[in-house]
Amino acid sequence: GESVGLHLPTLSVQEGDNSIINCAYSNSASDYFIWYKQESGKGPQFIIDIRSNMDKRQGQRVTVLLNKTVKHLSLQIAATQPGDSAVYFCAETSGASYDKVIFGPGTSLSVIP
Amino acid sequence: NAGVTQTPKFQVLKTGQSMTLQCAQDMNHNSMYWYRQDPGMGLRLIYYSASEGTTDKGEVPNGYNVSRLNKREFSLRLESAAPSQTSVYFCASRKGQQAEAFFGQGTRLTVV
Repeated sequence: GESVGLHLPTLSVQEGDNSIINCAYSNSASDYFIWYKQESGKGPQFIIDIRSNMDKRQGQRVTVLLNKTVKHLSLQIAATQPGDSAVYFCAETSGASYDKVIFGPGTSLSVIP
Repeated sequence: NAGVTQTPKFQVLKTGQSMTLQCAQDMNHNSMYWYRQDPGMGLRLIYYSASEGTTDKGEVPNGYNVSRLNKREFSLRLESAAPSQTSVYFCASRKGQQAEAFFGQGTRLTVV
């Protein structure tokens, strides 16, 4: 998804369908990536992470894919549920400064019952 | 086990006033962070501390100062608040360099 100005990109999916949330990163030196979920009024919560020596990592109902060639991450959520409605962020750190964690702009996921 | 605790949860300041946002973690994490989140936007890194005694600038440090008081506590200070600093502020901590961050519940700050 694209993000411009103050408007988060929004993804609407039907309950039970699969969701795919995309994230582009610009720093080719980034080598550790994390997906977070943020529900309204709360702080972000960890979902899944992936290191740059991997292309794919699976969790419970979630899969993260990493394409280093085009600097792209995606988060796939299987059988999306109403409780998955939230804003999703990818974050990255690079070998130059692993302690500096930078977040992407986020995508708002809305699940239609 | 409280995780990351931020105080206060809400604050209204007048332009020019100063205040300190407090953050404490009880997970023995080395790294701590301050982010701000504006409506409909992502999190932007203000300052971070990789370990006790060190602090570094993030993406948007202007107008802020930080103190890593000890391993548990990392405070954010606004010396002279401006309306542009109206935002939700999140503190986070991480155990190590390739590990996820744990976030507090946020401080909603309004500068009028």
